Amino acid sequence: DVKVTQSSRYLVKRTGEKVFLECVQDMDHENMFWYRQDPGLGLRLIYFSYDVKMKEKGDIPEGYSVSREKKERFSLILESASTNQTSMYLCASNLQGDNEQFFGPGTRLTVL
Amino acid sequence: AQKITQTQPGMFVQEKEAVTLDCTYDTSDPSYGLFWYKQPSSGEMIFLIYQGSYDQQNATEGRYSLNFQKARKSANLVISASQLGDSAMYFCAMRDGVRGSQGNLIFGKGTKLSVKP
Repeated sequence: DVKVTQSSRYLVKRTGEKVFLECVQDMDHENMFWYRQDPGLGLRLIYFSYDVKMKEKGDIPEGYSVSREKKERFSLILESASTNQTSMYLCASNLQGDNEQFFGPGTRLTVL
Repeated sequence: AQKITQTQPGMFVQEKEAVTLDCTYDTSDPSYGLFWYKQPSSGEMIFLIYQGSYDQQNATEGRYSLNFQKARKSANLVISASQLGDSAMYFCAMRDGVRGSQGNLIFGKGTKLSVKP
């Protein structure tokens, strides 16, 4: 079974802190994605990566950066967390050319 | 621009009855894919069903079927014989034609389904 794991299910941080959200997949997938999910807005793509050290902006990249130093790991970084970044963050991955994306369990981030 | 619309924020269905969740899409790309995901209260996204734009037949997976009407640009999810465990958020999604080579998905806002005993 494909496994996508995220470092934390729940996280509470203070405004201005630097926040790292980690995502790891164990199926050698080329593509990895970070979404945020907010009530009434669905899932919105923040960044994605189709190879090691490669990254592309999604629809809402402002305030975020990413890092992909190894194929299995894709990190989302909030350089200076703000209260409007309180949200559920979902990581996903898939094989190049495949249709289905496999999702992690999500990280619910609260910024106070 | 590609877009997914789910017009039903919430729906109720009686246990054992069938329910249809609506999804319309907009794209100018002739090649696209449509997906439905289920998200229980625990938060994980569960893939349910996929329909390709060139598929001749409607997709089915167990109790799930996708009513694909290409001319109307609709891809409604039909759940037959609803069960209490079907209570969840349901998201319709489309593979983005512009960034589709990387498999990016565009999601609708979701429909919250509640199954009544």
